[in-house]
Amino acid sequence: GENVEQHPSTLSVQEGDSAVIKCTYSDSASNYFPWYKQELGKGPQLIIDIRSNVGEKKDQRIAVTLNKTAKHFSLHITETQPEDSAVYFCAALTNTGNQFYFGTGTSLTVIP
Amino acid sequence: GAGVSQSPSNKVTEKGKDVELRCDPISGHTALYWYRQRLGQGLEFLIYFQGNSAPDKSGLPSDRFSAERTGESVSTLTIQRTQQEDSAVYLCASSPARAAGGETQYFGPGTRLLVL
Repeated sequence: GENVEQHPSTLSVQEGDSAVIKCTYSDSASNYFPWYKQELGKGPQLIIDIRSNVGEKKDQRIAVTLNKTAKHFSLHITETQPEDSAVYFCAALTNTGNQFYFGTGTSLTVIP
Repeated sequence: GAGVSQSPSNKVTEKGKDVELRCDPISGHTALYWYRQRLGQGLEFLIYFQGNSAPDKSGLPSDRFSAERTGESVSTLTIQRTQQEDSAVYLCASSPARAAGGETQYFGPGTRLLVL
């Protein structure tokens, strides 16, 4: 089955700096890659996603890049703000499967 | 509109007791997922429902775990004879029909289960 690895597990950045979180996957049949933000005591919320027919997607300060050949995808947050502090999860879904395979999460702290 | 809701929000039970967790998906969403999230860890897939198809139960960790869903509405996750290692947050998510653009999952706030 699919195996998703996520790095780093924790990340601290100064307010205004950029943050990058990376995930790798193993199954070349995976074709949908969402990113979720989870705040303390809440369920994960989708922040951005990308499908395998595109290499990059951007939404204001958030962007995701996908390298299908290398089987990795990354979340980029620019001009970080304290409210960006949360746990971020990547996930992968194959084109035929039902299961989303999640990374182990990255705890991001933005220092004011 | 209303999002995914789960109840109870918190549940404390004694080892050996049965618990039932409820999920109300977004109206019209045909797919429904249950996940387990242990403290400080990622999401562990438990079960998937899609419309009237047979559920994908491949993630259920033991026969003490079961789930039901009536049509495209409410789902219940039942844990029998609870053990301390069942303590976790149980998350439910729903999504529209599995077609192009239909994979997006919307999560509920979760049920925090503590087994003493």
